[in-house]
Amino acid sequence: EAGVVQSPRYKIIEKKQPVAFWCNPISGHNTLYWYLQNLGQGPELLIRYENEEAVDDSQLPKDRFSAERLKGVDSTLKIQPAELGDSAVYLCASSLDGAQETQYFGPGTRLLVL
Amino acid sequence: GDSVTQMEGPVTLSEEAFLTINCTYTATGYPSLFWYVQYPGEGLQLLLKATKADDKGSNKGFEATYRKETTSFHLEKGSVQVSDSAVYFCALRSFQKLVFGTGTRLLVSP
Repeated sequence: EAGVVQSPRYKIIEKKQPVAFWCNPISGHNTLYWYLQNLGQGPELLIRYENEEAVDDSQLPKDRFSAERLKGVDSTLKIQPAELGDSAVYLCASSLDGAQETQYFGPGTRLLVL
Repeated sequence: GDSVTQMEGPVTLSEEAFLTINCTYTATGYPSLFWYVQYPGEGLQLLLKATKADDKGSNKGFEATYRKETTSFHLEKGSVQVSDSAVYFCALRSFQKLVFGTGTRLLVSP
């Protein structure tokens, strides 16, 4: 069974440019999470989806970040415009549903903003 | 708010040495506790978990016991291998989200 798939794995952009990350969760997993992992830190939740509904986006900086999961399967996280401080690893995870404690993580997208 | 504190790394050991990575937490109620491992270039993988006080999680020779009285969940392994070199994250589950510590890098030399 395929795990959580993320693309791209690496992205280098100049500041003020837009960038998007894509995630495909494990088949059948209804809950999808986006995490931000700064260098030397643990992941921090940005947003959680139950199917297509964003049920926790309290930590998402909504002035420049947006996310969507239109059909309740794959998801896209966007930053526009990117800032130098956005350089980090963006992790996607999924679980069967929100009550399930085990989350399965993708390999992440490493973003460098110059 | 809920938080997790881990010992700073890197932890450098020789093969077959005993490993302890300390983890303490602050939380309201009784959260579930986890250890995740991140190998170079890979995503986080669940290593073990415990859901209530005095539970012991174990996997691949690693183990950790949920200690409510000391709010701790220390990771131990009796004999580490070079292949155990990775970053280890302690985490708790609060309101359906994971709260992670900062991670501890383990380096095992032959």
